[in-house]
Amino acid sequence: DQQVKQNSPSLSVQEGRISILNCDYTNSMFDYFLWYKKYPAEGPTFLISISSIKDKNEDGRFTVFLNKSAKHLSLHIVPSQPGDSAVYFCAASASRGAQKLVFGQGTRLTINP
Amino acid sequence: SAVISQKPSRDICQRGTSLTIQCQVDSQVTMMFWYRQQPGQSLTLIATANQGSEATYESGFVIDKFPISRPNLTFSTLTVSNMSPEDSSIYLCSVERTPNTDTQYFGPGTRLTVL
Repeated sequence: DQQVKQNSPSLSVQEGRISILNCDYTNSMFDYFLWYKKYPAEGPTFLISISSIKDKNEDGRFTVFLNKSAKHLSLHIVPSQPGDSAVYFCAASASRGAQKLVFGQGTRLTINP
Repeated sequence: SAVISQKPSRDICQRGTSLTIQCQVDSQVTMMFWYRQQPGQSLTLIATANQGSEATYESGFVIDKFPISRPNLTFSTLTVSNMSPEDSSIYLCSVERTPNTDTQYFGPGTRLTVL
């Protein structure tokens, strides 16, 4: 039972353009969502998060959008840079302090020069 | 963010043996978490380790297979016991820098290959 799904295993974007990574979830109890970036041979690095009381959160080049009715979130990276090439995971938790994150399968983003 | 280190970074082990993975944090944290990432899969929570109490295991993971120690607020170990090739994974520890925020910070991981 995959509660958090990232349906695109890979995405290729030209440098300078917008990268959009998508994530869907099925558990309506999830109310906090996070995005992580992972380079090879390293642990995931926290990027940005969003609470279900918001529909958008922005941090520099990274913006996360949440559509609760569609149970969908997306991460926008503008402009995309070569250093953004990595695997991106979305994660969700049900109620703050639940301390359990459920991860999607990841999307490998490649930024082409 | 927290500075988290893991030892070993990688290992190749024989079937039937055990490996203990260490996780060290640069500051005291209440909760430490152990995850597994099997090849091509997402991260899956194995257990939550709270200092001074038994670890809490997720469905599908048992203490006999994955014993965990949490002797103090900066250190934890995960042992992978009686290993089989199916245990070949990346094992990661994580912490919540600020309690009850659900924002977890991860160590670099231990890449385990079982032959």
